Amino acid sequence: EVQLVESGGGLVQPGGSLRLSCAASGFTFSRYWMHWVRQAPGTGLVWVSRIKSDGSSTSNADSVKGRFTISRDNAKNTLYLQMNSLRAEDTALYYCAREAGSSGVLGAFDIWGQGTMVTVS
Amino acid sequence: SYDLTQPPSVSVSPGQTASITCSGDKLGDKYACWYQQKPGQSPVLVIYQDNKRPSGIPERFSGSNSGNTTTLTISGTQAMDEADYYCQAWDSSTYVFGTGTKVTVL
Repeated sequence: EVQLVESGGGLVQPGGSLRLSCAASGFTFSRYWMHWVRQAPGTGLVWVSRIKSDGSSTSNADSVKGRFTISRDNAKNTLYLQMNSLRAEDTALYYCAREAGSSGVLGAFDIWGQGTMVTVS
Repeated sequence: SYDLTQPPSVSVSPGQTASITCSGDKLGDKYACWYQQKPGQSPVLVIYQDNKRPSGIPERFSGSNSGNTTTLTISGTQAMDEADYYCQAWDSSTYVFGTGTKVTVL
């Protein structure tokens, strides 16, 4: 079964740090671009970060540039999000998502995890 | 920044057709996709590359994209289709979601 399982969320004080993990299984993780998407309670989806299949390139939303770093370990089939200088507005459910296809052309997310909650307070 | 705008809500009777629009500058020049999200669940991709359905998505879901607007159409809407729907597109390594539309099946 194709699956993404996030972990690492929790309660952190403003200015603090947290590292999220996303364990992938059921597919060849190293062939896919991966993303983090967040959703604050009662609001819509917001894209956070993207990393290419080999980890050679990343992209971040303006709201997290300089604070969040996406990375991956293809040997461990795991995606990460290092979050520093956290703010109250970063409070959200964080999803990892797989980008459909293996070329980064489609820009659509076909597999999602269940999310991990981050609360900054 | 690039914005995608959706109507906050759409109401539809069972068996009827629901159309959800999503507007953005020159959206028709980009690939658009749509997600369905039910309360307490993760989003599910229902349309990608403007009008393609992933495996397992019912045929009643269809999409189009032209000009500044992409549209998700649900034909023969069922009670199980009641959910939030989000459009999404990408440009220059930035990915943008629409504001979301709550579809109510009355």
